[in-house]
Amino acid sequence: GESVGLHLPTLSVQEGDNSIINCAYSNSASDYFIWYKQESGKGPQFIIDIRSNMDKRQGQRVTVLLNKTVKHLSLQIAATQPGDSAVYFCAEAPGADGLTFGKGTHLIIQP
Amino acid sequence: NAGVTQTPKFRILKIGQSMTLQCAQDMNHNYMYWYRQDPGMGLKLIYYSVGAGITDKGEVPNGYNVSRSTTEDFPLRLELAAPSQTSVYFCASSYSGRDSYEQYFGPGTRLTVT
Repeated sequence: GESVGLHLPTLSVQEGDNSIINCAYSNSASDYFIWYKQESGKGPQFIIDIRSNMDKRQGQRVTVLLNKTVKHLSLQIAATQPGDSAVYFCAEAPGADGLTFGKGTHLIIQP
Repeated sequence: NAGVTQTPKFRILKIGQSMTLQCAQDMNHNYMYWYRQDPGMGLKLIYYSVGAGITDKGEVPNGYNVSRSTTEDFPLRLELAAPSQTSVYFCASSYSGRDSYEQYFGPGTRLTVT
């Protein structure tokens, strides 16, 4: 089975609300985690990353939380906008030799 | 900078044909990667390279070959194409610093094998 997975395949939120996308991982050796956004027909685009020695990291409108105890990662998007509609992937890496991706969560923004 | 470029954007192959997917980056990154993405799925690593002349297998290398003669280019070769290789192929690159393994992705090549 996959070492990185997501709890929900589709998430629908109202425009302006906050979105939370969850991810579980199983490789205890992973020390780096990253969130990508993929719009239809395009390659993945970097959102935010976090190393295992951190619990939280904030970017512009996004926050990543890492809970190593339960091997859980989440992406919070504040004040969701129509342009946030995309598939979001979490990925993990024990090193630089490639990322292991989860299946993805499709975020749908309702007007 | 153009970033990571891939050619072609689309290709249809017949079973048994061969082709090379091109990938180039102008960011002087030492690491380069090839992934495939099947419909509704995440990306799976095919091959990666840590520098010119060095390549290694990823999770799904069967049916593919790579070479890395320069820092900039990392072509992926499909020999004897099969319907199971129908997928979208993404090339990526990264600079292996200590603080980030962020990978920069190209726009992808959509391949159909019939």
